[in-house]
Amino acid sequence: KAGVTQTPRYLIKTRGQQVTLSCSPISGHRSVSWYQQTPGQGLQFLFEYFSETQRNKGNFPGRFSGRQFSNSRSEMNVSTLELGDSALYLCASSLEYSGAYTGELFFGEGSRLTVL
Amino acid sequence: LAKTTQPISMDSYEGQEVNITCSHNNIATNDYITWYQQFPSQGPRFIIQGYKTKVTNEVASLFIPADRKSSTLSLPRVSLSDTAVYYCLVGDMDKYIFGTGTRLKVLA
Repeated sequence: KAGVTQTPRYLIKTRGQQVTLSCSPISGHRSVSWYQQTPGQGLQFLFEYFSETQRNKGNFPGRFSGRQFSNSRSEMNVSTLELGDSALYLCASSLEYSGAYTGELFFGEGSRLTVL
Repeated sequence: LAKTTQPISMDSYEGQEVNITCSHNNIATNDYITWYQQFPSQGPRFIIQGYKTKVTNEVASLFIPADRKSSTLSLPRVSLSDTAVYYCLVGDMDKYIFGTGTRLKVLA
């Protein structure tokens, strides 16, 4: 079974630009969540989508947005990039109730964004 | 905000048993407790999950007292490759809140 796939793995942008990151969840998983990880702030929750609806949202400005498609693939977008947006962006998918564990998160390898 | 409190860091030696305790005083009746491990530049990886008493799998044990206000992740006979950050998560919708985690360093 293929794992969570994130693209691109690495990208460099300049301040003011926008960026779109993609996440393909494990087949059958309908929940996709996004995280930002920086050395200073740790692993912070951005938002979570389930069946194309945003179900939970972290404390990030409106420049950070996301969406989920009918095939459960998800994208997140960051507009008007700032230097502080440089981070590893992680996506995770989960099967709500697997029977063994509840809501176990499966993470991708991340997209490392550098803003110059 | 994370509903959990963990030590920021711990050091151990190879071959020792490591116990990492997480406090979650406000745990709700239907909340599960889940632990993840993260290596640098990788996404966290699920280790173990429990609701009460003791759970054991091939890599760790999870001890949960009757009041469920804390839990302890036990790693038997750690090796250098167990050096990582360990996160304790509690809850249903709060399961996405990772907190700062515990940075475990295993020394030779």
